Amino acid sequence: GAGVSQSPSNKVTEKGKDVELRCDPISGHTALYWYRQSLGQGLEFLIYFQGNSAPDKSGLPSDRFSAERTGGSVSTLTIQRTQQEDSAVYLCASSYYGDHEQFFGPGTRLTVL
Amino acid sequence: QKEVEQDPGPLSVPEGAIVSLNCTYSNSAFQYFMWYRQYSRKGPELLMYTYSSGNKEDGRFTAQVDKSSKYISLFIRDSQPSDSATYLCAMRSLVQGAQKLVFGQGTRLTINP
Repeated sequence: GAGVSQSPSNKVTEKGKDVELRCDPISGHTALYWYRQSLGQGLEFLIYFQGNSAPDKSGLPSDRFSAERTGGSVSTLTIQRTQQEDSAVYLCASSYYGDHEQFFGPGTRLTVL
Repeated sequence: QKEVEQDPGPLSVPEGAIVSLNCTYSNSAFQYFMWYRQYSRKGPELLMYTYSSGNKEDGRFTAQVDKSSKYISLFIRDSQPSDSATYLCAMRSLVQGAQKLVFGQGTRLTINP
């Protein structure tokens, strides 16, 4: 079946602009995660959604970052007033609840000029 | 200090060599230990996982966990050029609600033909 898809694959924006990144998880996966991977760094947890429960937002680096998940499926990560330090690859993953294996999408490469 | 430490390399070895990749961690609550492989411009994919301490073997790959030393390893036997990738260790606790993975920085590995 189809894997996790993300769009756009690349995004170049100017400092101060808002961006929206989209994630389509694997059908049937109730858990959805966003991570950020900066150059030469490991993955940094941002936010976690599980079903209709309140999301775990503990990894969001600032209030410029927000995410939502509509209908328990598609998720959008929004970064307002982008800064150059926001440049990174943003990865989305999904899994069955409680499953150790998270399936990752190819990521969105964000460049803030 | 990061919860999970991993030497970023880069590590370059000849084809056929045995490769040893390692991570150390500080959080004694971690119970699930995983190794992800990430090819360039792709999302990570799960390679192996281990619950608690012990060894696990899958073909040319062996994962080891030593909880007393807070140290995990991945061994690759008879390494192949197709094994060239970044290898990320990841860990998760069983604390309720702690679904996020904590990643190491990743080790970039090159297998030379």
